[in-house]
Amino acid sequence: DAGVTQTPRHEVAEKGQTIILKCEPVSGHNDLFWYRQTKIQGLELLSYFRSKSLMEDGGAFKDRFKAEMLNSSFSTLKIQPTEPKDSAVYLCASSLAPDWGGANYAEQFFGPGTRLTVL
Amino acid sequence: GDSVTQTEGLVTLTEGLPVMLNCTYQTIYSNPFLFWYVQHLNESPRLLLKSFTDNKRTEHQGFHATLHKSSSSFHLQKSSAQLSDSALYYCALSDRSNYNVLYFGTGTKLTVEP
Repeated sequence: DAGVTQTPRHEVAEKGQTIILKCEPVSGHNDLFWYRQTKIQGLELLSYFRSKSLMEDGGAFKDRFKAEMLNSSFSTLKIQPTEPKDSAVYLCASSLAPDWGGANYAEQFFGPGTRLTVL
Repeated sequence: GDSVTQTEGLVTLTEGLPVMLNCTYQTIYSNPFLFWYVQHLNESPRLLLKSFTDNKRTEHQGFHATLHKSSSSFHLQKSSAQLSDSALYYCALSDRSNYNVLYFGTGTKLTVEP
């Protein structure tokens, strides 16, 4: 079974450009997450979808970051306009829906990430 | 709101010595789920350990951790560090109230030297 895939793996953008990152979750997973990873802040949640519905849209990232889930097997993260401080690794993760009543945690599986550099 | 604190940003150890990475958390919910994720160089994070049972030790791949609700802690330990343990370790919390959202600490970079 294929894991989470992300494209492109590397992206270089000029300040002010629009970039779109792509993610394909594990087949059959209900939940999809977008994270930003930096050395200082670690992993920060950008967006969270449950069955294509947006459940959480990271407050600090709302103005220039927009994630969409067009179907259950594809999601995009648009950054518009890009700024140098957006340089980071963007990770997509997916999971099954957890069954908290049964104390079953749904492990999040991470993709390889997209390394974004904004000049 | 929920939060996780990892006090050490960098830990350097000599091979063979014990490992202990600190993790404390804050949540108003009484039944949190705690996790450790590990990320090796040029790889993505993957789950290492998880627990929701108070005072019960959980183990995987030589690492262990015990959730202590009384002190809101979930420290990661290993009796003897190996070179291959060098990686970035994240502690994370789910309060089980907000679907599958995880609250991550800032991470601890562990370097094991010969």
